[in-house]
Amino acid sequence: DVKVTQSSRYLVKRTGEKVFLECVQDMDHENMFWYRQDPGLGLRLIYFSYDVKMKEKGDIPEGYSVSREKKERFSLILESASTNQTSMYLCASSSGTGQVYGNQPQHFGDGTRLSIL
Amino acid sequence: GDSVTQMEGPVTLSEEAFLTINCTYTATGYPSLFWYVQYPGEGLQLLLKATKADDKGSNKGFEATYRKETTSFHLEKGSVQVSDSAVYFCALPGGGADGLTFGKGTHLIIQP
Repeated sequence: DVKVTQSSRYLVKRTGEKVFLECVQDMDHENMFWYRQDPGLGLRLIYFSYDVKMKEKGDIPEGYSVSREKKERFSLILESASTNQTSMYLCASSSGTGQVYGNQPQHFGDGTRLSIL
Repeated sequence: GDSVTQMEGPVTLSEEAFLTINCTYTATGYPSLFWYVQYPGEGLQLLLKATKADDKGSNKGFEATYRKETTSFHLEKGSVQVSDSAVYFCALPGGGADGLTFGKGTHLIIQP
């Protein structure tokens, strides 16, 4: 089975801090994704990556950046945390390249519930 | 752009009741369609999928049929259990290279 591991289940940080959320997958998947999940808004895509050192903006990239130095690891960075970034963050991965990957299922980690005080 | 509309709930049923969660979509072409489930405190798990029109995905007693005529992918289960209480998401690939597009999720509560 695919395993997507997020480094923390719960995290509490202060406004203005730089925050790192880490995600590792063990299935050699090409594609990795970061979403945030908020009540009434569902899941919204922040950033995704289809290859090492490649990244693409999703629907809500403002205030975030990402890093993918190795294929198995995809990091989400909050450059200067703000209270409106309090949320559940979900990492996912999938296989496939080009137009094929869009039809592949994504495999999710258990999420990180981040609180910014 | 591509989009998914699903009933948001909460949907409250008694154990052994019949379940339908509606999902309709707009998309270019005929993408794969997915249902994901999120149990309390956990991430999303793939529940079932269908890759082409008239395909039926099934898993754990849940079924959904890809209907291109009505652009629907409704989730059904004949007899729900308390353990089915969760949030269910319908999803399809987004246009271009932007991952999956999810519905807003349907919170299902099954009472004993």
